Order: sequence, then C-alpha cells, then structure tokens
Amino acid sequence: GENVEQHPSTLSVQEGDSAVIKCTYSDSASNYFPWYKQELGKRPQLIIDIRSNVGEKKDQRIAVTLNKTAKHFSLHITETQPEDSAVYFCAASKKGSTLGRLYFGRGTQLTVWP
Amino acid sequence: EAGVTQFPSHSVIEKGQTVTLRCDPISGHDNLYWYRRVMGKEIKFLLHFVKESKQDESGMPNNRFLAERTGGTYSTLKVQPAELEDSGVYFCASSHGTGGGYTFGSGTRLTVV
Repeated sequence: GENVEQHPSTLSVQEGDSAVIKCTYSDSASNYFPWYKQELGKRPQLIIDIRSNVGEKKDQRIAVTLNKTAKHFSLHITETQPEDSAVYFCAASKKGSTLGRLYFGRGTQLTVWP
Repeated sequence: EAGVTQFPSHSVIEKGQTVTLRCDPISGHDNLYWYRRVMGKEIKFLLHFVKESKQDESGMPNNRFLAERTGGTYSTLKVQPAELEDSGVYFCASSHGTGGGYTFGSGTRLTVV
C-alpha cells in the first residue's frame, strides 16, 4: 500500500517568513495530493490540492509543488501570519471517478510567532 | 449547506463498554468515510461507504468495530467492547464523488479508560 512521510513534525517561524512542509509517497500510481489544515479543536479543512498532471499550483499565499519522478510534494506558505498556526496534513490517493481512501502523513504543527 | 456533523464530540468510556459514534454527511454526498487519528500519529483510514454499501473496509482494525450506513444517509460506528488502544479522534468525511476533496466533520474524541 501507499506510505506517506511528512517532515518536519514541528515548524516555528516568525510572522512574515515563509514555511515549507515536505512529503514523500511510495506508490507511483497515486495521482491526487491534497493538503489539509486543522486548527485547534476544529475539523481538517482542504486548503489546496494538486493532481499528478500538474507540477505546481498556487492560491494566494499558498502553493504546492509536485515532483512525480522523485515522488515528493511540498506545501509553501509565504508571508506567514499568526492565523496560519495549525496542524497541516499532506495526503495521497488514487483518484478515479470516485475519490477513495486518502493516505495521510503524520502532520506538521506550524507555529507562527508575531 | 450544512457540513458534516458528528456526535458526540467527546466520549469517555471504560474499557469493555460499548460506544456508538454517529456521522451525518452533507446531503447528497454518496461517499462517506471514517478515519481515526491516534495522538501524534497520522490520520488513518477505516472504511468507505458508497451510499449504503461498503466500498472499502480494509482499514477496520478488528471485528470489535462495526460500521453501518442504513439507507445511505447517516452512518454509525460502533466499538464493542472498547479497548484502551481505541482512544483517539474519529473523523467522518463525505464527498460528492466527482472532483474536489473531502469535507471532514469535527470529529469525536474517544477516550477509553
């Protein structure tokens, strides 16, 4: 089955700095890579996703890059703000006509200091 | 649009007791998923319903766990009898099935003492 590794487990940055979280996956058949943000006590929320036919996707201060050859993908947050503090999860899946199971990384606790 | 609703939000039970978790997906979402996160670890898949049918239950840890989705609407996850290692946050999610990702519920924090 798929194995997703996520690093680092904790990340502290100063407000305004950039943050990068990296994930690797093992199954070359995986083709869908979402990122979820979970604030304390709240539900995981999808913040951005990328499919294997795309190398990079950007949404305002958030971007995700995918290297299919190396089987790794990364989340980049620029100009971080205290409200970006949360646990971030990467995931991988084989997405066909129906989205099946997601394989998650262990999460990264991001803390943004004002 | 109402989101995915789970209850209870918290449950504390003794080892050997039974607990039933409930999930109400977004109306019209045929796909319903159960996941669990044990403290500090990844969110792990338990099972996937398409309407009332179990599409994939390969993540169910053992036969103490029973999931149902009668009528293809809400789902229940019963743990009987509960063990200490069952403690964690149980998430439910639903999806429409075409495009997009999941919408998660807020989870049920289960503590077995």
